[in-house]
Order: sequence, then structure tokens, then C-alpha cells
Amino acid sequence: AQSVTQPDIHITVSEGASLELRCNYSYGATPYLFWYVQSPGQGLQLLLKYFSGDTLVQGIKGFEAEFKRSQSSFNLRKPSVHWSDAAEYFCAVVPSGGSYIPTFGRGTSLIVHP
Amino acid sequence: DVKVTQSSRYLVKRTGEKVFLECVQDMDHENMFWYRQDPGLGLRLIYFSYDVKMKEKGDIPEGYSVSREKKERFSLILESASTNQTSMYLCASSPHVGLARNNEQFFGPGTRLTVL
Repeated sequence: AQSVTQPDIHITVSEGASLELRCNYSYGATPYLFWYVQSPGQGLQLLLKYFSGDTLVQGIKGFEAEFKRSQSSFNLRKPSVHWSDAAEYFCAVVPSGGSYIPTFGRGTSLIVHP
Repeated sequence: DVKVTQSSRYLVKRTGEKVFLECVQDMDHENMFWYRQDPGLGLRLIYFSYDVKMKEKGDIPEGYSVSREKKERFSLILESASTNQTSMYLCASSPHVGLARNNEQFFGPGTRLTVL
């Protein structure tokens, strides 16, 4: 079965600083990869997804993620963080064969200091 | 604008009560899901459904049941609520057309259930 690891439970950055949130997965083949964001009191919203092609994926709100097969990683990045980016971020994996049900990481909580 | 709505944002129930959480989507999606979200544990799948009257157990189905009588509505039922079911419950839907694995899920705002 596939698994997803988000090693950082909390990340604190200053507004305007760059951001990288880590996601590693365990799966035999290349899975489909997603990043979701959950603002306080809200459901999850898709930021971006990867399933083939260019390994650098652009998403909404200025986010991007890079798929690195050799590292089994799909890290989320943003060059300059805004206070409104404070939220919970979830990485999710769907296997390329078998079940189409996603597996979610445990989430990383982003705190933004003014 | 696509929407998944959940019947309540906050709910307080007593131990032993039967609890219904309702979810409705207006996107004509085939798949619907119920998750619970707890701090440090992320999202855990309770049940999902890929068609009307069809249901499949997720990772933590114990203590829960579901009902899907219509395509747009997916209900989560706690037959006899217990304090360890205090949690945030999230409903989601996704289409099941073509290459389903790259389809995103659309989430409702969640229901925060407290069982006293």
C-alpha cells in the first residue's frame, strides 16, 4: 500500500520569505500527486496536481511543486509568502494502478509571522 | 461554482444518540467520500461510494454507517455516538470519468461534531 510522509508538523516563516513544504511518498510506480490547502474553518481546496509530463507544476495562489522521481518527493514551494497563506497543507497520493482512492499525509501547519 | 455542502458546521450530541451528517454535491459526481480529521492524524477515510446505493469501507469504518439513496446525497450515520467520535468530519466528491486517478476531490466545509 502507498504511504505519504509530511515530515514537518509545523513550519513558521516570516511574511515575504520563501517557503518549501516537504512531501515524500512510498509507492512502486509513479503515482498521481496532489497538494491541498485548508484555511481555518474551511474544507480542503486543490492547489495543484501532477500526473505526467513536466515535473515542475504550477498551481493557484502562486504555488508550485516539483516531482523528483529519484527522491520520491513532491515538495511544494512559494517564493514569497503572504499572511493569507497561513493554513494547513496536505499532500495526497493516488496510485497509478489499483484503487483510485487517495492517501493523505498528516498535514503541515504553516504559521506566517508579520 | 461547484459546491459540496454539509448540513451543519457545528453539532453537539450526547453519548448514545443516533447522529446523521448530511452531504450534498451539485456537480453530478459519481464518487463521494466521508473522512474524519483529527490533529496530527490528517484525514482518515471512513466510507466512500462510487454509485447510488453502493458503499465501500474505508480505513476506519467501525462505529459508522452510510447511505446513498440519491446520486447527489451521501449521509454518514453514527448509530450510537461515543466521545471518541468527537472530531471534524469532511465530505468530498469527485468525478469518475476517464482516467479517474487524476481527478481532484472537492470538499465541503466540514462538520465539527462534539459528543458529550
